[in-house]
Amino acid sequence: QQQVKQSPQSLIVQKGGISIINCAYENTAFDYFPWYQQFPGKGPALLIAIRPDVSEKKEGRFTISFNKSAKQFSLHIMDSQPGDSATYFCAASIGRDDKIIFGKGTRLHILP
Amino acid sequence: DGGITQSPKYLFRKEGQNVTLSCEQNLNHDAMYWYRQDPGQGLRLIYYSQIVNDFQKGDIAEGYSVSREKKESFPLTVTSAQKNPTAFYLCASSPTTGWGEKLFFGSGTQLSVL
Repeated sequence: QQQVKQSPQSLIVQKGGISIINCAYENTAFDYFPWYQQFPGKGPALLIAIRPDVSEKKEGRFTISFNKSAKQFSLHIMDSQPGDSATYFCAASIGRDDKIIFGKGTRLHILP
Repeated sequence: DGGITQSPKYLFRKEGQNVTLSCEQNLNHDAMYWYRQDPGQGLRLIYYSQIVNDFQKGDIAEGYSVSREKKESFPLTVTSAQKNPTAFYLCASSPTTGWGEKLFFGSGTQLSVL
């Protein structure tokens, strides 16, 4: 119940296309859903996050869509660029102090 | 610049040897964490410390040890008991005594076995 399942494991998208990464969870007590971006040889960095009181959050080309009833959330990258090539992790937690549970990551490659 | 510094960037371990990975932060953060990253396995929690002189085991603590004698330092020792130590090790911190809303990660240490 503590798992966050992420798919696909890897993704190749043409430059200018839309990249979509999906995550699903079971624990309905989760109330915070961040996404982290990791470039090769670097540590992850917080990209964008959402709480379940909204269905969508947009920051520039990055959008999180949240479906509370389906217990799913996804990251959409519009107009994908080669600089977006990285590994993306979805995550979930309960409250401010609880452990952050990470998905297994999606390696995204944007073709130039 | 404020941040988390991990050293060394690359480390090699001989069989039966203990090695220590360094993690230092100048962010004045209360909590610090160690994660292990293997390809396709995501980020797995090894140990965490929410205050000085206290730490707890994470999900995969066997074969590892830590100390938290200073707020800014959280070294990780990979002992000879860890039979599969090859991985990318990430140190992180958060401003509060819990995970909070954002983890700040270092640039990692790649550990390999000779």
